[in-house]
Amino acid sequence: NAGVTQTPKFRILKIGQSMTLQCTQDMNHNYMYWYRQDPGMGLKLIYYSVGAGITDKGEVPNGYNVSRSTTEDFPLRLELAAPSQTSVYFCASNTGIAGNTIYFGEGSWLTVV
Amino acid sequence: AQKITQTQPGMFVQEKEAVTLDCTYDTSDPSYGLFWYKQPSSGEMIFLIYQGSYDQQNATEGRYSLNFQKARKSANLVISASQLGDSAMYFCAMREGNTNAGKSTFGDGTTLTVKP
Repeated sequence: NAGVTQTPKFRILKIGQSMTLQCTQDMNHNYMYWYRQDPGMGLKLIYYSVGAGITDKGEVPNGYNVSRSTTEDFPLRLELAAPSQTSVYFCASNTGIAGNTIYFGEGSWLTVV
Repeated sequence: AQKITQTQPGMFVQEKEAVTLDCTYDTSDPSYGLFWYKQPSSGEMIFLIYQGSYDQQNATEGRYSLNFQKARKSANLVISASQLGDSAMYFCAMREGNTNAGKSTFGDGTTLTVKP
């Protein structure tokens, strides 16, 4: 039972580089999310999607882009990486129904130098 | 304004004792859900317990219980009979509305250390 799978687990980027964090879930969840967690802090929502073809900004979307071409996949693109984007990124999904918890991936540790 | 406030950056508890982790929230939506998650040092997020705003009884899951005081807008997590493996960071989170796209707002967390 894979759940939410995100890759890569660790990555070091140079300032100005771009990269894509991959996320896939096999639970047929309509709702998917990307969060970032800065050291010692809680999670902040970057982008979310309520279904294939639909995405929307969360609390901290600047510097990121997403797409949702299928129910399963929700990649997060970092354009022109900056040191402020050094963080742990979590992909998550759920059914969107009240009471249903969010299922998280294992996290992606990204360092921008 | 902070929607979720966890006022205890760090807490210590003796093994086998109970501990309460505080969480207060702010919302004007009558329908909301409150969650607690555990994040061990390995980094994964583990769901612990859920409380809906209309639930009449406090939620319980094994050694975890949620002390829900709606009028005070607090949703404290109580861990009974603490174990060494409970040492982790704990996050309180809230989702407003029946769905609201399932989006959750997280507090900054409390680091719990269980002492042998």
